[in-house]
Amino acid sequence: GEDVEQSLFLSVREGDSSVINCTYTDSSSTYLYWYKQEPGAGLQLLTYIFSNMDMKQDQRLTVLLNKKDKHLSLRIADTQTGDSAIYFCAENPGGYNKLIFGAGTRLAVHP
Amino acid sequence: SAVISQKPSRDICQRGTSLTIQCQVDSQVTMMFWYRQQPGQSLTLIATANQGSEATYESGFVIDKFPISRPNLTFSTLTVSNMSPEDSSIYLCSVDPGAYTFGSGTRLTVV
Repeated sequence: GEDVEQSLFLSVREGDSSVINCTYTDSSSTYLYWYKQEPGAGLQLLTYIFSNMDMKQDQRLTVLLNKKDKHLSLRIADTQTGDSAIYFCAENPGGYNKLIFGAGTRLAVHP
Repeated sequence: SAVISQKPSRDICQRGTSLTIQCQVDSQVTMMFWYRQQPGQSLTLIATANQGSEATYESGFVIDKFPISRPNLTFSTLTVSNMSPEDSSIYLCSVDPGAYTFGSGTRLTVV
């Protein structure tokens, strides 16, 4: 089946690192995605990782993929107040032209 | 990646009426997708729109309620028909190729 799970809420102090976790069920997913949604806005693609990679780094963002455990994480270094948003992970099950989204993790950054 | 423009950005509509949402892409794309995000929820795929063929609808969504047009490789419309308050949502279009880039969404409120 297709299911993506995320914790619903994360609170961090400004300047600390944030780690948002995600588990998925479809091992045939070729890509896994992280999106950011700010209040009242659409979805911004943050980064994505190909399923044969273990890690991808892009400036303050690091994505780790454990394909054996079907676990994906997004680490945001030096978290800022502008990072406060809802973060969605999504999988792209092989053979299907659609994304399956998790429920989203609301990240709150406090001083 | 592709740049997607959606119109309108928001609307308030009377129940029983219909609203057509437009999605314009700045480059030719093979596939366009329409998603719905109900209040406080994640995204759910409504349908996939390919140029020159009928849209493919996901379980729970039907053409009579959500007719879709795809007249060329850069444009698509989604109509929400005979609206009820339960249709109040954000509707987003997405494209591939384009690493599943999303438009900014249409925030619909049905009163």
